[in-house]
Amino acid sequence: GAVVSQHPSWVICKSGTSVKIECRSLDFQATTMFWYRQFPKQSLMLMATSNEGSKATYEQGVEKDKFLINHASLTLSTLTVTSAHPEDSSFYICSAPVGAGRNEKLFFGSGTQLSVL
Amino acid sequence: GQQVMQIPQYQHVQEGEDFTTYCNSSTTLSNIQWYKQRPGGHPVFLIQLVKSGEVKKQKRLTFQFGEAKKNSSLHITATQTTDVGTYFCAAGGATNKLIFGTGTLLAVQP
Repeated sequence: GAVVSQHPSWVICKSGTSVKIECRSLDFQATTMFWYRQFPKQSLMLMATSNEGSKATYEQGVEKDKFLINHASLTLSTLTVTSAHPEDSSFYICSAPVGAGRNEKLFFGSGTQLSVL
Repeated sequence: GQQVMQIPQYQHVQEGEDFTTYCNSSTTLSNIQWYKQRPGGHPVFLIQLVKSGEVKKQKRLTFQFGEAKKNSSLHITATQTTDVGTYFCAAGGATNKLIFGTGTLLAVQP
């Protein structure tokens, strides 16, 4: 199956710093990638849809200036948590569909556990 | 917005017992997908259902899509310890994004 690589797996940072998370599709091209956030023992909440070559689409309630998304190529999307605060601590996970149709199955990265001190 | 609820939230079974999780959407769906997330892991795709009333089987797992395309179920026969994890349904609608259900955590006691 398709492989989605996500780095880093975990990061600890001080409050006020910015953290960049990378999501790469290794053996396929992804014009769209999805970024989710997951709190312990809870569901995946869609944060935004990353679109190659255009602006990301953010879900209601997600601050676009706080969570910067860049989809510079067909295999790479990045999420930057700017001026991170303890309430931003969470598990962030990206996913990409294989295929250009609607509601294709998703392949997930391994996720990034962010801890903000 | 669209809501996708799953019940139960948590289920603890003895190995060999059956298990079922139910998924209900507030809106009609174009398709439903099911994912499994092992503890500490990431979601892994299990199956996609598209047709009204569709039933699909994967070994001990049986997936069903409701006639009205607003609900779905996953049934596991004779659970094993390897079945442990959280099972999520994911609803596909008018857009290309999936909305994940609240999930059901399955614990299997040997």
